Amino acid sequence: DIQMTQSPSSLSASVGDRVTITCRASQSISSWLAWYQQIPGKVPNLLIYKASTLKSGVPARFSGSGSGTEFTLTISSLQPEDFATFFCLQYSDHTVTFGGGTKVEIK
Amino acid sequence: QVQFVQSGAEVKKPGASVKVSCKASGYTFTSYDMHWVRQAPGQRLEWMGWINTGNGNTKYSQKFQDRVTITRDTSATTAYMELSSLIYEDTAVYYCARSDCGGGCYLLWNWGQGTLVTVSS
Repeated sequence: DIQMTQSPSSLSASVGDRVTITCRASQSISSWLAWYQQIPGKVPNLLIYKASTLKSGVPARFSGSGSGTEFTLTISSLQPEDFATFFCLQYSDHTVTFGGGTKVEIK
Repeated sequence: QVQFVQSGAEVKKPGASVKVSCKASGYTFTSYDMHWVRQAPGQRLEWMGWINTGNGNTKYSQKFQDRVTITRDTSATTAYMELSSLIYEDTAVYYCARSDCGGGCYLLWNWGQGTLVTVSS
């Protein structure tokens, strides 16, 4: 199975900060990677798919990059509503595995 | 709009089975695969398997292969996930999640609200 290692597991940041979260795959997954946001008590919300494609309606401050085994989610200017847990999902090779999640907290 | 209504919370004893339902609306049910994912307390999300809602074919994660059965009722636009031989570690929130297409699509586009299953003696 493809393993996903996500870092950091948590971070503290202020409104307006630039935030970067990384996911590494144990083998190449091409660009078959998605990023989700989960606010406590809410359903996971798809932000980015195919590594860098922003889902319609998602604010442009979210961006994704990478291919192969290393991927990055960047929030260019953190907003109050962005404090949540973010996780990656790989969907290559007819399987799905998840990163461990990154909890973004208010500094 | 696309909506999923999952069945309510369950409490089960070890060794029992649980069946969680996911009623879909707002789209053509048989055009999109349905996956099941769970999240145990403090653990990462785990993918359990999926069903081709069009023809009923399924594929399961190796971890759950022997204990999970995913089915669907097209007339009721509902997918089901049954997990047998429950152990304490199966305590988790179980989600249905619709893929972005049908016939073997693994990007999870929309999620149900989740169903808490508690395994307790």
